[in-house]
Amino acid sequence: NAGVTQTPKFQVLKTGQSMTLQCAQDMNHNSMYWYRQDPGMGLRLIYYSASEGTTDKGEVPNGYNVSRLNKREFSLRLESAAPSQTSVYFCASRWWANQPQHFGDGTRLSIL
Amino acid sequence: AQTVTQSQPEMSVQEAETVTLSCTYDTSESDYYLFWYKQPPSRQMILVIRQEAYKQQNATENRFSVNFQKAAKSFSLKISDSQLGDAAMYFCAYRSLETSGSRLTFGEGTQLTVNP
Repeated sequence: NAGVTQTPKFQVLKTGQSMTLQCAQDMNHNSMYWYRQDPGMGLRLIYYSASEGTTDKGEVPNGYNVSRLNKREFSLRLESAAPSQTSVYFCASRWWANQPQHFGDGTRLSIL
Repeated sequence: AQTVTQSQPEMSVQEAETVTLSCTYDTSESDYYLFWYKQPPSRQMILVIRQEAYKQQNATENRFSVNFQKAAKSFSLKISDSQLGDAAMYFCAYRSLETSGSRLTFGEGTQLTVNP
């Protein structure tokens, strides 16, 4: 059972480059989320998709875009990467209602 | 907006002993969920325990239990008979039932060290 799969696991970018982080879940979950985790801080929500066809901003959306490609896939795009976006990115999904979120293993992104 | 505060950046415990991690939150909502997640060095986010605000009974999962004080907006995690595998970063999280998307709001985390 794969659960939530994130690709890539690691990536180094130069300032100004673009990058898409991929997330796919095989649990037929309705809602999907993108978080970032910075040292000394908890996870902060970037964007989420409550259901297929909808996306909404979270706490820290600036500099990012998302696409809910279908029910399984939710991608996060950095159009012009900045050093401040160096972080660990987590994708999560949730089936419905009172179910907990399931997390992927994270993508460590470094921007030089 | 809701906030979650974990006032203990680091804690340590001897193997087989008990440790309590603190969490407080701020909300004006009456119904919500609270969670504790564990993040070992592998970086995985693992759900440890959850509590529904409308339930007065404290949740328990094997060696893990919570002390949920709704009026005080406090949600502490007690780990009994600590094991070396319990060493990890622990995050407290709040989930609103009133805002769309049921997003999670996380605390800053508490790094737990288990000493043999």
